[in-house]
Amino acid sequence: KAGVTQTPRYLIKTRGQQVTLSCSPISGHRSVSWYQQTPGQGLQFLFEYFSETQRNKGNFPGRFSGRQFSNSRSEMNVSTLELGDSALYLCASSLVAGHEVAFFGQGTRLTVV
Amino acid sequence: AQSVSQHNHHVILSEAASLELGCNYSYGGTVNLFWYVQYPGQHLQLLLKYFSGDPLVKGIKGFEAEFIKSKFSFNLRKPSVQWSDTAEYFCAVTGNNDMRFGAGTRLTVKP
Repeated sequence: KAGVTQTPRYLIKTRGQQVTLSCSPISGHRSVSWYQQTPGQGLQFLFEYFSETQRNKGNFPGRFSGRQFSNSRSEMNVSTLELGDSALYLCASSLVAGHEVAFFGQGTRLTVV
Repeated sequence: AQSVSQHNHHVILSEAASLELGCNYSYGGTVNLFWYVQYPGQHLQLLLKYFSGDPLVKGIKGFEAEFIKSKFSFNLRKPSVQWSDTAEYFCAVTGNNDMRFGAGTRLTVKP
């Protein structure tokens, strides 16, 4: 069974641009969660999607948004990028919603310059 | 506010030493508890989890953790570490439809 796949692995953007990250969950998993990992703040929960609906949202500004498609693949979008958005963005998939056992992808390393 | 605390930021041990990493949480209600590990250059992997039942949970690679409800703790232990255990360890707690991670503890095992 393939694991959680995130694309791209690395990304460099300039301030003010917007970016879209993609996550393909493990086959059969319907819940996808997104996290931001930085040295200063650690792992922080962004949002969780289940069956194309956002179930939970962390404490991030509206510039961070996401969506989930009918095949459970999810995208995360960050608009008007700031330097502080530089981070590793991790996606995790679960069979069900509510943060059951989660399997993580390798992440997308975003650098904002 | 709900939070997860990992007391040790960086732990350095010699091979064969015993390990205990602390994790405390502040959550109301029922919680599920996890330890994840991130080896250098790799993605987060689940070490072990506690949902209910026996509070002493055994995970992969010889790790175990004990849920002590009265202390709001879920400490990770291993009797004898190996060089290959060098990694960052994250405690995570879910409850009230929320998931929080601790800041992580970096473990360095010297050969």
